[in-house]
Amino acid sequence: DIQMTQSPSSLSASVGDRVTITCRASEGIKNDLGWYQQKPGKAPKCLIYAASILQSGVPSRFSGSGFGTEFTLTISSLQPEDFATYYCLQHNGYPRTFGQGTKVEIK
Amino acid sequence: QVQLQESGPGLVKPSQTLSLTCIVSGGSITSADYYWTWVRQPPGKGLEWIGYIYYSGSTSYSPSLQSRLTISKDTSKNQFSLILSSVTAADTAVYYCARERMAPVSRYYFYYIDVWGEGTPVTVSS
Repeated sequence: DIQMTQSPSSLSASVGDRVTITCRASEGIKNDLGWYQQKPGKAPKCLIYAASILQSGVPSRFSGSGFGTEFTLTISSLQPEDFATYYCLQHNGYPRTFGQGTKVEIK
Repeated sequence: QVQLQESGPGLVKPSQTLSLTCIVSGGSITSADYYWTWVRQPPGKGLEWIGYIYYSGSTSYSPSLQSRLTISKDTSKNQFSLILSSVTAADTAVYYCARERMAPVSRYYFYYIDVWGEGTPVTVSS
């Protein structure tokens, strides 16, 4: 199985801050990676796929980058509605595997 | 607009079998562009991919669940199902059905989960 290691597991930030979350794959997965946002009691929502392609309707303050084993999700200016948990998910092989999640909390 | 809705019992006794169904509306499970998927989330924990079924009937399962898991589909009802046998407390979770799609980008296909059900909580307890 491909292991996805996500960091940090949590972070505190203020509105307007720039936030970066990292995901590392245990083996190369090209750019077969998605980023998902989950709010409490809700289903996840895809923000980015193919490592850097913004899903339709997602604000441009979200961006993704990376290839191979290192990936990042960046929120350029954190907004109140961005406080949530973020997961990476590799779509390169089976079984699909998620990162452990990063909880973004209000400072 | 495609919508997914999970249904099934909220409480299952240990050692028994959990059965969940996902009803798909606004789209067909016979499309070759999608993989019909199950994901679960134990209370307070992260997301776990369970498996999928493709329009052809082919499946892929999480190795940790494979010996107890069956995912099937009913094309006539446009729904797919999860059956998990010999459940324990470790199977307590919110179970989501979802659609993973193949998106063409240039000459390649990329995958992502674009539609999720709202999730159904399942508790394993006597």
